Amino acid sequence: GDSVTQMEGPVTLSEEAFLTINCTYTATGYPSLFWYVQYPGEGLQLLLKATKADDKGSNKGFEATYRKETTSFHLEKGSVQVSDSAVYFCALIKYNQGGKLIFGQGTELSVKP
Amino acid sequence: EAQVTQNPRYLITVTGKKLTVTCSQNMNHEYMSWYRQDPGLGLRQIYYSMNVEVTDKGDVPEGYKVSRKEKRNFPLILESPSPNQTSLYFCASSLWGGQPQHFGDGTRLSIL
Repeated sequence: GDSVTQMEGPVTLSEEAFLTINCTYTATGYPSLFWYVQYPGEGLQLLLKATKADDKGSNKGFEATYRKETTSFHLEKGSVQVSDSAVYFCALIKYNQGGKLIFGQGTELSVKP
Repeated sequence: EAQVTQNPRYLITVTGKKLTVTCSQNMNHEYMSWYRQDPGLGLRQIYYSMNVEVTDKGDVPEGYKVSRKEKRNFPLILESPSPNQTSLYFCASSLWGGQPQHFGDGTRLSIL
């Protein structure tokens, strides 16, 4: 079945370091891909999305490119801040299953000053 | 302000005592869904609703019920809660089933 796999956390970085969180997926068809972010005690917020191959989603300095050939959607940011500390979820959407979101297990990011 | 509102935010209860978690959205969204979040498993869909009076099972529907009598509300019902339903629950909504979903702040349930 369809699935999303993320790199395990926690990931600990110093402020201004470069961030990569790996995400790969298995899916039939052409799903849209998303990154959601969950700050402590809050719900999930959509961070960025990509709807087709080679699309690049970007928001708040984060970027991810939909790579169909490697079935990947890695999240990157050039210079992280303490305020980026959160749990990040990669997800795909199944249009033929009522729009169900299939999530990876989440990657916790901790940024130290 | 556009939002998805869940209540309660926290609940500790005992096995077998029926409970309802309410979910309401003010964005006139057609699609609503419930997820549970467990460590190491990410979020898994419990039930979803494409529009009023239409609901369907997600990946982990056992032990849960839902109803969609009006567009804005989508309550989650645990008729006879058990300890394995201790989890963090999220309600979400979107304009239609293929759109990014807006999430509530979550309900942490502890079933003793």
